[in-house]
Amino acid sequence: EVQLVESGGGLIQPGGSLRLSCAASGFTVGSRYMTWVRQAPGKGLEWVSVILSDGNTYYADSVEGRFTISRDDSKNILYLQMNSLRAEDTAVYYCARGTQSTSRYDYWGQGTLVTVSS
Amino acid sequence: EIVLTQSPATLSLSPGERATLSCRASQSVSSYLLWYQQKVGQAPRLLIYDASNRATGIPARFSGSGSGTDFILTISSLEPEDFAVYYCQQRSVWPITFGQGTRLEIK
Repeated sequence: EVQLVESGGGLIQPGGSLRLSCAASGFTVGSRYMTWVRQAPGKGLEWVSVILSDGNTYYADSVEGRFTISRDDSKNILYLQMNSLRAEDTAVYYCARGTQSTSRYDYWGQGTLVTVSS
Repeated sequence: EIVLTQSPATLSLSPGERATLSCRASQSVSSYLLWYQQKVGQAPRLLIYDASNRATGIPARFSGSGSGTDFILTISSLEPEDFAVYYCQQRSVWPITFGQGTRLEIK
């Protein structure tokens, strides 16, 4: 059974750093496009970043240079390192699984809430 | 970046009625358009991929159509569990983008 479980969210001050994790089971993260999507309170979905099966990465302009996506194939975990956090980064962060070669997100985690506030 | 504009923002219908949701792209995305459903407090669920293909386990009352810049999600006969927010997403070019959503509410 495919499962994605996010962790690492919490309350952080502006300018701080946080690392989110997404533990996967039922498949290998290295074989899929893996993505982070966020949703600010009461707002719509915003794509954040993706790591492709070949290791290439892409980012939304709003997080480029501040966030880094990575994965640990041995642990089967996806990460999102978030630095220089801003109030506008406050959101529920979801990890999601794509296919081997497309951004068709068929499984999603339950999300982890990140609140950036002083 | 490709901007996806969904309409209407809110759609008020009754169970049994037909729902038609629209997604328009600022430039062609070919057929690389997906639809998701999100209920309150839940993660999104994939409904339709590549414009017209139902995802695994999605009921036949959900259908998608369109290509290029104009796409439609149709729910043929609304069930009580269909009232939710619907998002379109394009996977044609980076960055991936989502529409702002259409809220389908009970009339």
